[in-house]
Amino acid sequence: KNQVEQSPQSLIILEGKNCTLQCNYTVSPFSNLRWYKQDTGRGPVSLTIMTFSENTKSNRRYTATLDADTKQSSLHITASQLSDSASYICVVSDRGSTLGRLYFGRGTQLTVWP
Amino acid sequence: EADIYQTPRYLVIGTGKKITLECSQTMGHDKMYWYQQDPGMELHLIHYSYGVNSTEKGDLSSESTVSRIRTEHFPLTLESARPSHTSQYLCASSDPEPGQGSEKLFFGSGTQLSVL
Repeated sequence: KNQVEQSPQSLIILEGKNCTLQCNYTVSPFSNLRWYKQDTGRGPVSLTIMTFSENTKSNRRYTATLDADTKQSSLHITASQLSDSASYICVVSDRGSTLGRLYFGRGTQLTVWP
Repeated sequence: EADIYQTPRYLVIGTGKKITLECSQTMGHDKMYWYQQDPGMELHLIHYSYGVNSTEKGDLSSESTVSRIRTEHFPLTLESARPSHTSQYLCASSDPEPGQGSEKLFFGSGTQLSVL
């Protein structure tokens, strides 16, 4: 069964600290993996996309990794800010159709305290 | 900032009422979607459209219907709302991401529906 599992379910850190969010998937075949950030009361916004050939990609304070062999991805946030408080959702796409079916994780709820 | 808009943001209605959730995008995207999201749960696809006059049901069984008469407009209608329909409804459109071979979703801010 194609699934996307995220951990931890929730996380509280102090401002300025680093954190790492995990995403494990069983989706096959695999096309790509995206991390989205969803602020409270808003729709998700794409942070980064990881394709099969990519291992690491950085976008400002966000660094995503992908291990396609173990089917794991992580999102590392450096020097956290209050505005990083949000739900982070991992979404995996297969290659089963022209569109590519999407499999969503339940998200990790990150809270950054001052 | 994505140019996709949903109205209303919040809606509280009584059981049995007919409602329409509006979604419009100004990006010219052919593909549009409706997702349902409950707290702490994953998004579930309830409807999608590949273009004008094209609509399909998604993975999650839904009593709602959609229409796509214009590219920019993708409304969702519930003929008779029930408490089980209480949820957040997210509209999205997508565009192929250059060089990535995949679609990037752009979401609206959602409609929080409460049926009493």
